Amino acid sequence: AQSVTQPDARVTVSEGASLQLRCKYSYFGTPYLFWYVQYPRQGLQLLLKYYPGDPVVQGVNGFEAEFSKSNSSFHLRKASVHWSDWAVYFCAVSGQGTGSKLSFGKGAKLTVSP
Amino acid sequence: EAGVTQSPRYAVLQEGQAVSFWCDPISGHDTLYWYQQPRDQGPQLLVYFRDEAVIDNSQLPSDRFSAVRPKGTNSTLKIQSAKQGDTATYLCASSRQKVFFGKGTRLTVV
Repeated sequence: AQSVTQPDARVTVSEGASLQLRCKYSYFGTPYLFWYVQYPRQGLQLLLKYYPGDPVVQGVNGFEAEFSKSNSSFHLRKASVHWSDWAVYFCAVSGQGTGSKLSFGKGAKLTVSP
Repeated sequence: EAGVTQSPRYAVLQEGQAVSFWCDPISGHDTLYWYQQPRDQGPQLLVYFRDEAVIDNSQLPSDRFSAVRPKGTNSTLKIQSAKQGDTATYLCASSRQKVFFGKGTRLTVV
């Protein structure tokens, strides 16, 4: 069965500081991996996605993530956090076929302090 | 391109009442997902369809929940007899390659 673990439920970062949100996945085979963001009272929005290829993927608003097969990880990073990044971030995994099941972690709530 | 549309946006029920949620996916998207997202948790897949066929409903509480997508377009998720534990946001998503989410229906069962 596929699953995602996000070990840090709440993260607080100062504005301008760097950010890393951790994600560990479990999947038999080669997965597709995603990071979604959920702003208050809004739907889930895709930040970035990994399809087999370059392990470092770039997303919107300066976010990037790095895939590691050996560590079964897909950590999200940003060099300099902005107050507008205050949101909940979800890591997700799916299979490679079109219309595959998409499974989410429990999320990491990011608070940005001044 | 219109997004995934869900209605209603909010619902408040007493235990034992029934409720239906409606989802209009993006035109041309063959795959449709229903997720349940309890407060402060990640979305949990309830059921998903490819066209009108159910692909996986293993996490759908079948004694009280049902979902249909009769023509492979719009979909309805119904709770027959709601419980307080059903309080959550219900998300619909659709995809052809990328997955797009609606804004959800926030259900409160009192």
